[in-house]
Amino acid sequence: QKEVEQDPGPLSVPEGAIVSLNCTYSNSAFQYFMWYRQYSRKGPELLMYTYSSGNKEDGRFTAQVDKSSKYISLFIRDSQPSDSATYLCAMSLSGSARQLTFGSGTQLTVLP
Amino acid sequence: DAGVTQSPTHLIKTRGQQVTLRCSPKSGHDTVSWYQQALGQGPQFIFQYYEEEERQRGNFPDRFSGHQFPNYSSELNVNALLLGDSALYLCASGTSGRPNEQFFGPGTRLTVL
Repeated sequence: QKEVEQDPGPLSVPEGAIVSLNCTYSNSAFQYFMWYRQYSRKGPELLMYTYSSGNKEDGRFTAQVDKSSKYISLFIRDSQPSDSATYLCAMSLSGSARQLTFGSGTQLTVLP
Repeated sequence: DAGVTQSPTHLIKTRGQQVTLRCSPKSGHDTVSWYQQALGQGPQFIFQYYEEEERQRGNFPDRFSGHQFPNYSSELNVNALLLGDSALYLCASGTSGRPNEQFFGPGTRLTVL
C-alpha cells in the first residue's frame, strides 16, 4: 500500500464547474500538506500549502485537511480551461524532515 | 526574478553510462532537493542538500549521488545507468526557514537506451 493514494482520473468537467480533488494517506505523522499543479512536460507548481487540519482559501482554490480521517481535498471553483493539468498532493513530516511524499496525480481537463 | 533552472532539458544515454544533471536554485534559496518522476507517477524524493551536505536521502541506491556548491547550485550524478532510470528528474529549491515550501524547476528528461 502506498503512503499517499490519489485517484488518477482522468477527470473531465465543463467550464465553470466546481472540481474536487482528493488524497488519502496512511502515515498519521504527516503534518504539512501541499497541492501542486503540473502542466504537461513542466515541473510542478506550488498552489496551496497548509499545516495540520483546517481550511485554507486562495482565490478560486480551497484546500481542506482532515487529519482524523487522513484525508485532504482541493476544491477549484469556477473552473477554467487553463486549469487543465495534473494535480499532485504532497505531504511531509514535522521537525527537520524535508522530504515531500507525493500522490500519483489526478489528470484534470476543463472543457470550454 | 529567475526561478529554478535546470540543464540540460533532454538527455539520451545508453545503459552503463554515467550522467550529470545540474540545478540552480531560486534566488534567496539555500536548500536543493532532487526528485525522480516516472511517467504517470508522482515525484519520488532522491535526496536534499543544505550547506553543501546531504541532509536527507530517499530510497535510492548509491549509484545516485550529488553535490551542492557554495553558490547553492547542485548536481545530480547517476552511475551505471539502467533502463529503469529513464524519467523526468526534478530539482526543487527552498529555504531552511520554510522547508516544506519547495519550488520546482522544469526538469531534465533522461532517456536510457
